[in-house]
Amino acid sequence: KNQVEQSPQSLIILEGKNCTLQCNYTVSPFSNLRWYKQDTGRGPVSLTIMTFSENTKSNGRYTATLDADTKQSSLHITASQLSDSASYICVVSAISGTYKYIFGTGTRLKVLA
Amino acid sequence: DGGITQSPKYLFRKEGQNVTLSCEQNLNHDAMYWYRQDPGQGLRLIYYSQIVNDFQKGDIAEGYSVSREKKESFPLTVTSAQKNPTAFYLCASSIPRPGYNEQFFGPGTRLTVL
Repeated sequence: KNQVEQSPQSLIILEGKNCTLQCNYTVSPFSNLRWYKQDTGRGPVSLTIMTFSENTKSNGRYTATLDADTKQSSLHITASQLSDSASYICVVSAISGTYKYIFGTGTRLKVLA
Repeated sequence: DGGITQSPKYLFRKEGQNVTLSCEQNLNHDAMYWYRQDPGQGLRLIYYSQIVNDFQKGDIAEGYSVSREKKESFPLTVTSAQKNPTAFYLCASSIPRPGYNEQFFGPGTRLTVL
């Protein structure tokens, strides 16, 4: 069964600190993995997208890694800011005729001043 | 200014009423999707459409209906048959690029049943 699991469910950190969010998946056949940021009451916005052959991708203070062998990904946030407070969703895309998107339940991050 | 728009942002419905949520995109994307988001759960697929005049049921289609008469538009109707419609609804679109197919999301509509 195609599944995407994220941990932790929620996280509270102080402004300026780093943090790492985890995503484990069992999706086949794998096409790509994306991380989205979703502010409360808004639609998700893409942060990074990685295919099978890519093992790291950066977008400013966000760095995503992908280990296709262990089927794990992480999103590292450096020098957190108050505006990083949001839910972070891991989405794995499978292709079997048409594309299928499997969503994790997200990690809710709260950055405190 | 390209993107996906959803309207209204907030919608209130009385029990027994049908309501229609609007989704429009000017990205020239072929595929469009409707998702439902509930607290503590991942996005769940309601319906999707790969091309005009064609659409497929997703995982939770019961109580919902859609149409795809134009490439730019994919409205979702929440019918009275949907027993628990209070949720946040997200529309998305995508264009297949091998390896890099990516969904773009609208801002969402929050539906509340009174």
